[in-house]
Amino acid sequence: DAGITQSPRYKITETGRQVTLMCHQTWSHSYMFWYRQDLGHGLRLIYYSAAADITDKGEVPDGYVVSRSKTENFPLTLESATRSQTSVYFCASSAGQGAGDTQYFGPGTRLTVL
Amino acid sequence: AQSVTQLGSHVSVSEGALVLLRCNYSSSVPPYLFWYVQYPNQGLQLLLKYTSAATLVKGINGFEAEFKKSETSFHLTKPSAHMSDAAEYFCAVSARHTGNQFYFGTGTSLTVIP
Repeated sequence: DAGITQSPRYKITETGRQVTLMCHQTWSHSYMFWYRQDLGHGLRLIYYSAAADITDKGEVPDGYVVSRSKTENFPLTLESATRSQTSVYFCASSAGQGAGDTQYFGPGTRLTVL
Repeated sequence: AQSVTQLGSHVSVSEGALVLLRCNYSSSVPPYLFWYVQYPNQGLQLLLKYTSAATLVKGINGFEAEFKKSETSFHLTKPSAHMSDAAEYFCAVSARHTGNQFYFGTGTSLTVIP
């Protein structure tokens, strides 16, 4: 029972490079989410997806791109990384049964942009 | 709009003492409320959630929280702190009209003193 996994767990890149963070879930959950966690800000929603090929912006989408061609995968791409995107990124999923539905989180990816 | 305020970014308690972590929410409609715990270098794990059933909600590891509409609060408590409770705790809110989107507080770091 793998649940929800993220790769890589740690990534160092340089300003201006493209970076893709992967998220995979084995529950066939409808909804998937990307958050970033920064000190003093808690978790902020970047993008979310209600189903394959359906995505929408969250609170802080600028500089990020997502896609969801398959239900189980939800990659997050930083097209041209900036230092302000240094953060810990969490992927989450939920069954999509309503507003009270639990979100299940992956272990996170720690991204450093030099 | 939904929002969450966690009073106290750092809380220290002695082992065996009462744990009280505060969460106040703002919501124009009946909310769903969640408490998550994050151990170092891990993702978030659900402790408990309120979904309009009983106002006193029991969760894992001996934690519980009480929904108080008149005070717009959802404080997390545990009668006796253990060393293993040291972690970051996040309160989150969602509501029917926001679908599956969560709004997180900025977190409270709990230290347990032996």
